[in-house]
Amino acid sequence: EVQLVESGGGLIQPGRSLRLSCTASGFTFGEHAMTWVRQAPGKGLEWVGFIRWKAYGGTAEYAASVKGRFTISRDDSKSIAYLQMNSLKFEDTAVYYCAREDGGGISSWGQGTLVTVSS
Amino acid sequence: QLVLTQSPSASASLGASVKLTCTLSRGHSSNAIAWHKQQPEKGPRFLMKVNSDGSHSSGDGIPDRFSGSSSGAERYLTISSLQSEDEADYYCQSWGTDIRVFGGGTKLTVL
Repeated sequence: EVQLVESGGGLIQPGRSLRLSCTASGFTFGEHAMTWVRQAPGKGLEWVGFIRWKAYGGTAEYAASVKGRFTISRDDSKSIAYLQMNSLKFEDTAVYYCAREDGGGISSWGQGTLVTVSS
Repeated sequence: QLVLTQSPSASASLGASVKLTCTLSRGHSSNAIAWHKQQPEKGPRFLMKVNSDGSHSSGDGIPDRFSGSSSGAERYLTISSLQSEDEADYYCQSWGTDIRVFGGGTKLTVL
Protein backbone atom coordinates (compact mmCIF):
# COMPACT_ATOMS: atom_id res chain seq x y z
CA GLU A 1 0.00 0.00 0.00
CA VAL A 2 1.32 3.42 -0.99
CA GLN A 3 1.83 5.68 2.02
CA LEU A 4 3.02 9.28 2.08
CA VAL A 5 3.54 10.98 5.43
CA GLU A 6 4.32 14.69 5.66
CA SER A 7 5.99 16.21 8.69
CA GLY A 8 7.63 19.44 9.76
CA GLY A 9 4.70 21.83 9.71
CA GLY A 10 3.94 24.30 12.46
CA LEU A 11 3.74 27.96 13.43
CA ILE A 12 6.49 30.12 11.98
CA GLN A 13 7.16 33.86 11.84
CA PRO A 14 7.25 35.75 8.55
CA GLY A 15 10.69 35.82 6.96
CA ARG A 16 11.81 32.61 8.65
CA SER A 17 12.51 29.20 7.09
CA LEU A 18 10.92 25.80 7.48
CA ARG A 19 11.62 22.39 5.95
CA LEU A 20 8.87 19.86 5.30
CA SER A 21 9.54 16.16 4.80
CA CYS A 22 7.52 13.55 2.96
CA THR A 23 8.36 9.96 3.89
CA ALA A 24 7.20 7.40 1.35
CA SER A 25 6.62 3.66 1.54
CA GLY A 26 4.87 0.92 -0.41
CA PHE A 27 6.40 1.72 -3.80
CA THR A 28 9.75 2.25 -5.51
CA PHE A 29 10.27 5.88 -4.52
CA GLY A 30 13.20 6.46 -6.86
CA GLU A 31 11.07 5.73 -9.94
CA HIS A 32 8.48 8.45 -9.40
CA ALA A 33 8.36 12.20 -9.64
CA MET A 34 7.07 13.81 -6.44
CA THR A 35 4.89 16.89 -6.21
CA TRP A 36 4.05 19.37 -3.46
CA VAL A 37 0.58 20.95 -3.39
CA ARG A 38 -0.84 23.42 -0.90
CA GLN A 39 -4.30 24.53 0.14
CA ALA A 40 -4.86 27.83 1.91
CA PRO A 41 -7.79 27.96 4.37
CA GLY A 42 -11.06 27.81 2.46
CA LYS A 43 -9.33 27.80 -0.93
CA GLY A 44 -8.65 25.32 -3.70
CA LEU A 45 -5.59 23.23 -4.44
CA GLU A 46 -2.47 25.07 -5.62
CA TRP A 47 0.49 23.32 -7.19
CA VAL A 48 3.77 24.35 -5.49
CA GLY A 49 6.40 22.37 -7.39
CA PHE A 50 7.64 18.94 -8.39
CA ILE A 51 10.90 17.04 -8.64
CA ARG A 52 11.64 14.60 -11.42
CA TRP A 53 13.09 11.20 -10.73
CA LYS A 54 16.76 10.57 -11.46
CA ALA A 55 16.16 9.01 -14.88
CA TYR A 56 14.80 12.41 -15.96
CA GLY A 57 17.53 14.41 -14.33
CA GLY A 58 16.17 14.78 -10.80
CA THR A 59 15.52 18.48 -11.41
CA ALA A 60 12.68 20.52 -9.97
CA GLU A 61 10.15 23.03 -11.28
CA TYR A 62 8.20 25.58 -9.26
CA ALA A 63 5.08 27.70 -9.35
CA ALA A 64 5.73 31.39 -9.90
CA SER A 65 4.40 32.20 -6.42
CA VAL A 66 7.23 30.29 -4.71
CA LYS A 67 10.06 30.32 -7.26
CA GLY A 68 13.28 31.57 -5.71
CA ARG A 69 12.03 31.00 -2.15
CA PHE A 70 11.17 27.28 -2.09
CA THR A 71 13.41 24.34 -3.00
CA ILE A 72 12.41 20.73 -3.51
CA SER A 73 14.91 17.92 -3.07
CA ARG A 74 14.86 14.18 -2.63
CA ASP A 75 16.83 11.43 -0.94
CA ASP A 76 16.05 8.22 -2.78
CA SER A 77 18.10 6.14 -0.31
CA LYS A 78 15.68 7.19 2.45
CA SER A 79 12.52 7.51 0.29
CA ILE A 80 12.03 11.10 1.44
CA ALA A 81 11.13 14.24 -0.47
CA TYR A 82 11.78 17.65 1.07
CA LEU A 83 10.29 21.10 0.66
CA GLN A 84 12.61 23.83 1.93
CA MET A 85 10.66 27.05 2.41
CA ASN A 86 12.59 30.29 2.90
CA SER A 87 11.47 33.88 3.36
CA LEU A 88 8.01 32.73 4.39
CA LYS A 89 5.09 35.11 3.91
CA PHE A 90 1.67 35.31 5.53
CA GLU A 91 0.16 34.05 2.27
CA ASP A 92 2.16 30.83 2.50
CA THR A 93 -0.17 29.72 5.30
CA ALA A 94 -1.73 26.47 4.07
CA VAL A 95 -1.95 22.73 4.44
CA TYR A 96 0.93 21.28 2.43
CA TYR A 97 0.48 17.93 0.74
CA CYS A 98 3.05 15.76 -0.94
CA ALA A 99 1.91 13.49 -3.73
CA ARG A 100 3.26 10.76 -5.96
CA GLU A 101 3.09 11.24 -9.70
CA ASP A 102 2.57 8.78 -12.49
CA GLY A 103 3.41 10.35 -15.83
CA GLY A 104 2.58 13.85 -14.61
CA GLY A 105 -0.71 13.05 -12.97
CA ILE A 106 -0.99 12.70 -9.22
CA SER A 107 -1.90 9.14 -8.24
CA SER A 108 -1.45 9.18 -4.44
CA TRP A 109 -1.68 11.86 -1.74
CA GLY A 110 -0.30 12.31 1.75
CA GLN A 111 -2.50 13.46 4.62
CA GLY A 112 -0.99 16.96 4.71
CA THR A 113 0.81 19.13 7.25
CA LEU A 114 -0.31 22.60 8.34
CA VAL A 115 2.03 25.56 8.03
CA THR A 116 0.91 28.76 9.72
CA VAL A 117 2.90 31.92 9.08
CA SER A 118 2.11 34.45 11.74
CA SER A 119 3.85 37.00 13.92
CA GLN B 1 -0.78 28.65 -21.10
CA LEU B 2 -2.39 25.59 -19.55
CA VAL B 3 -5.58 26.49 -17.69
CA LEU B 4 -8.33 24.17 -16.42
CA THR B 5 -11.86 25.51 -16.01
CA GLN B 6 -14.49 23.95 -13.75
CA SER B 7 -17.94 25.14 -12.70
CA PRO B 8 -17.86 26.24 -9.05
CA SER B 9 -20.85 24.17 -8.02
CA ALA B 10 -23.15 21.32 -9.00
CA SER B 11 -25.99 19.48 -7.35
CA ALA B 12 -27.97 16.31 -7.88
CA SER B 13 -30.35 14.12 -5.92
CA LEU B 14 -29.49 11.03 -3.91
CA GLY B 15 -29.48 8.01 -6.24
CA ALA B 16 -29.26 10.12 -9.40
CA SER B 17 -26.27 10.72 -11.70
CA VAL B 18 -24.17 13.84 -12.23
CA LYS B 19 -21.56 14.76 -14.85
CA LEU B 20 -18.79 17.17 -13.88
CA THR B 21 -16.79 18.99 -16.56
CA CYS B 22 -13.19 20.14 -16.77
CA THR B 23 -12.27 22.25 -19.82
CA LEU B 24 -8.70 22.49 -21.09
CA SER B 25 -7.47 25.79 -22.49
CA ARG B 26 -6.80 26.37 -26.19
CA GLY B 27 -3.90 24.36 -27.51
CA HIS B 28 -4.09 21.73 -24.80
CA SER B 29 -7.05 19.66 -25.97
CA SER B 30 -4.92 16.50 -26.21
CA ASN B 31 -3.88 16.61 -22.56
CA ALA B 32 -4.84 13.87 -20.15
CA ILE B 33 -6.18 14.93 -16.76
CA ALA B 34 -6.60 13.42 -13.32
CA TRP B 35 -9.70 13.76 -11.13
CA HIS B 36 -9.40 14.12 -7.38
CA LYS B 37 -12.06 14.13 -4.65
CA GLN B 38 -11.82 16.05 -1.39
CA GLN B 39 -14.43 15.50 1.29
CA PRO B 40 -14.91 18.18 3.97
CA GLU B 41 -11.99 18.40 6.41
CA LYS B 42 -10.09 15.64 4.60
CA GLY B 43 -7.17 15.45 2.22
CA PRO B 44 -7.63 14.87 -1.51
CA ARG B 45 -7.98 11.39 -2.97
CA PHE B 46 -7.06 10.36 -6.51
CA LEU B 47 -10.06 9.06 -8.45
CA MET B 48 -8.91 8.46 -12.03
CA LYS B 49 -6.90 9.54 -15.00
CA VAL B 50 -8.84 10.43 -18.17
CA ASN B 51 -7.12 10.47 -21.56
CA SER B 52 -8.08 12.49 -24.63
CA ASP B 53 -9.54 9.40 -26.29
CA GLY B 54 -11.93 8.94 -23.37
CA SER B 55 -10.14 5.96 -21.86
CA HIS B 56 -9.69 6.13 -18.14
CA SER B 57 -7.89 4.29 -15.35
CA SER B 58 -9.18 4.46 -11.80
CA GLY B 59 -7.31 4.49 -8.53
CA ASP B 60 -7.35 1.62 -6.09
CA GLY B 61 -10.71 1.05 -4.42
CA ILE B 62 -12.63 3.56 -6.53
CA PRO B 63 -16.16 2.21 -7.13
CA ASP B 64 -17.29 1.70 -10.71
CA ARG B 65 -20.02 4.28 -10.06
CA PHE B 66 -17.27 6.72 -11.02
CA SER B 67 -16.38 6.90 -14.70
CA GLY B 68 -14.50 9.24 -17.00
CA SER B 69 -14.91 10.36 -20.61
CA SER B 70 -13.71 13.04 -23.06
CA SER B 71 -14.95 15.20 -25.89
CA GLY B 72 -12.57 17.65 -27.54
CA ALA B 73 -11.09 19.87 -24.85
CA GLU B 74 -13.56 18.68 -22.23
CA ARG B 75 -12.96 15.94 -19.72
CA TYR B 76 -15.80 14.53 -17.69
CA LEU B 77 -16.35 12.75 -14.43
CA THR B 78 -19.68 10.97 -14.15
CA ILE B 79 -20.91 9.73 -10.80
CA SER B 80 -23.92 7.43 -10.86
CA SER B 81 -26.16 6.23 -8.03
CA LEU B 82 -25.17 9.25 -5.96
CA GLN B 83 -24.57 8.65 -2.27
CA SER B 84 -24.28 11.09 0.59
CA GLU B 85 -20.52 10.48 0.82
CA ASP B 86 -20.12 11.75 -2.74
CA GLU B 87 -20.76 15.26 -1.45
CA ALA B 88 -17.30 16.78 -1.84
CA ASP B 89 -15.09 19.10 -3.83
CA TYR B 90 -13.85 17.64 -7.09
CA TYR B 91 -10.66 18.92 -8.73
CA CYS B 92 -9.18 18.20 -12.12
CA GLN B 93 -5.43 18.35 -12.65
CA SER B 94 -3.27 18.35 -15.76
CA TRP B 95 0.38 18.79 -16.62
CA GLY B 96 2.98 19.93 -19.08
CA THR B 97 6.73 19.36 -19.31
CA ASP B 98 7.54 21.78 -16.50
CA ILE B 99 4.19 22.65 -14.95
CA ARG B 100 1.28 21.13 -13.07
CA VAL B 101 -2.12 22.81 -12.95
CA PHE B 102 -5.35 22.39 -10.99
CA GLY B 103 -8.81 23.52 -11.89
CA GLY B 104 -10.65 25.69 -9.39
CA GLY B 105 -12.76 22.77 -8.20
CA THR B 106 -16.47 21.93 -8.29
CA LYS B 107 -18.41 21.69 -5.04
CA LEU B 108 -20.92 18.86 -5.43
CA THR B 109 -24.02 18.93 -3.25
CA VAL B 110 -26.10 15.77 -2.92
CA LEU B 111 -29.74 16.75 -2.35
